[in-house]
Amino acid sequence: ETGVTQTPRHLVMGMTNKKSLKCEQHLGHNAMYWYKQSAKKPLELMFVYNFKEQTENNSVPSRFSPECPNSSHLFLHLHTLQPEDSALYLCASSRTTSGGATYNEQFFGPGTRLTVL
Amino acid sequence: DQQVKQNSPSLSVQEGRISILNCDYTNSMFDYFLWYKKYPAEGPTFLISISSIKDKNEDGRFTVFLNKSAKHLSLHIVPSQPGDSAVYFCAGVDSNYQLIWGAGTKLIIKP
Repeated sequence: ETGVTQTPRHLVMGMTNKKSLKCEQHLGHNAMYWYKQSAKKPLELMFVYNFKEQTENNSVPSRFSPECPNSSHLFLHLHTLQPEDSALYLCASSRTTSGGATYNEQFFGPGTRLTVL
Repeated sequence: DQQVKQNSPSLSVQEGRISILNCDYTNSMFDYFLWYKKYPAEGPTFLISISSIKDKNEDGRFTVFLNKSAKHLSLHIVPSQPGDSAVYFCAGVDSNYQLIWGAGTKLIIKP
């Protein structure tokens, strides 16, 4: 148990559906992250929030829409996804985003396995 | 083009022997390198790190070696135990403090 929870753990959706992934951290951290992991590929950073402000958006298509209402919760809203979006979506948190020669360890949730039909 | 490569998708090692997982990188500006371990149905968990100014870091059974001239790092686990069976990810921390990940190596420890 890392202190980061994600729901749902598994999600199957059609291309016309709208769904949301939820992440919650109980570690008192101020930075939260969404990653995508496709089969046999490296983790890809999607979004970063630091103190509820989005600081990174790594050219993610607009069909993925993040929301960070507070430092403990992070959502990823999904709409009109494509089959190639099927992947494991991982949420992580850290004390803050790293900077000033300090790397802050990221703690990961178990992920949501998303299948788009 | 992948900046961090783990060329062995899987590795099988006898229990009690040494496991060596390898990682190559192309970005000479990485400040830190990290190894994460991932069990099925769980997220990655931090294992060990090494600063780019060092060539070795040891933590119990785990040692990470960094060869900057070859842009290569390796994780040694000795002795290997059944609980070490997992997927191991190598990652570099770039100048924006983002993690750049390899694709992972699945380690199987045989009893």
